Amino acid sequence: KAGVTQTPRYLIKTRGQQVTLSCSPISGHRSVSWYQQTPGQGLQFLFEYFSETQRNKGNFPGRFSGRQFSNSRSEMNVSTLELGDSALYLCASSLSAGTQQETQYFGPGTRLLVL
Amino acid sequence: QKEVEQNSGPLSVPEGAIASLNCTYSDRGSQSFFWYRQYSGKSPELIMFIYSNGDKEDGRFTAQLNKASQYVSLLIRDSQPSDSATYLCAVIFYNQGGKLIFGQGTELSVKP
Repeated sequence: KAGVTQTPRYLIKTRGQQVTLSCSPISGHRSVSWYQQTPGQGLQFLFEYFSETQRNKGNFPGRFSGRQFSNSRSEMNVSTLELGDSALYLCASSLSAGTQQETQYFGPGTRLLVL
Repeated sequence: QKEVEQNSGPLSVPEGAIASLNCTYSDRGSQSFFWYRQYSGKSPELIMFIYSNGDKEDGRFTAQLNKASQYVSLLIRDSQPSDSATYLCAVIFYNQGGKLIFGQGTELSVKP
């Protein structure tokens, strides 16, 4: 079974631009979560989608948004990029959100550099 | 208090020794606990999950959970240089709608 895939793998943008990242979960997985990882802050939760609905949201500004499609693929968007948005963005998928179905498997990540 | 706390390390052990990684969490209602390993420049990979108090063994890895003390640990027996990585403890916080919250990670270095 194929793992979680993320595109693009690397991205360079300038301040003020916007960016869209894509994530395809493991086949059959309906929950997709997004995380931001930086050396200083570690892995921080952005949001989780389940069956096209945002189920949970972290403490990030409204510039960070996401959505999930009917095939469980998810996108996240960051508008008006700031230098501090430079990070590794990780997507993780799980079967569902119930106990023992909530184990999350990570994709390879998208490394975003904002200049 | 941080929601999930780990010693950042680095923790250095000789090859063949037991490495002990510790994690405490703040949500007494948490029921699901995970250990991930992350090599430099790579994404986290799941090592183990544990739901019940006690020990859970998988090969050279043993996860230990004590819900009363809000403590979860990971033991790595017969440590190998290839085990050198950052180990992330993660806990599902049901009081926050089921968010998976990660600790800062413990960097492990296994010396040949």
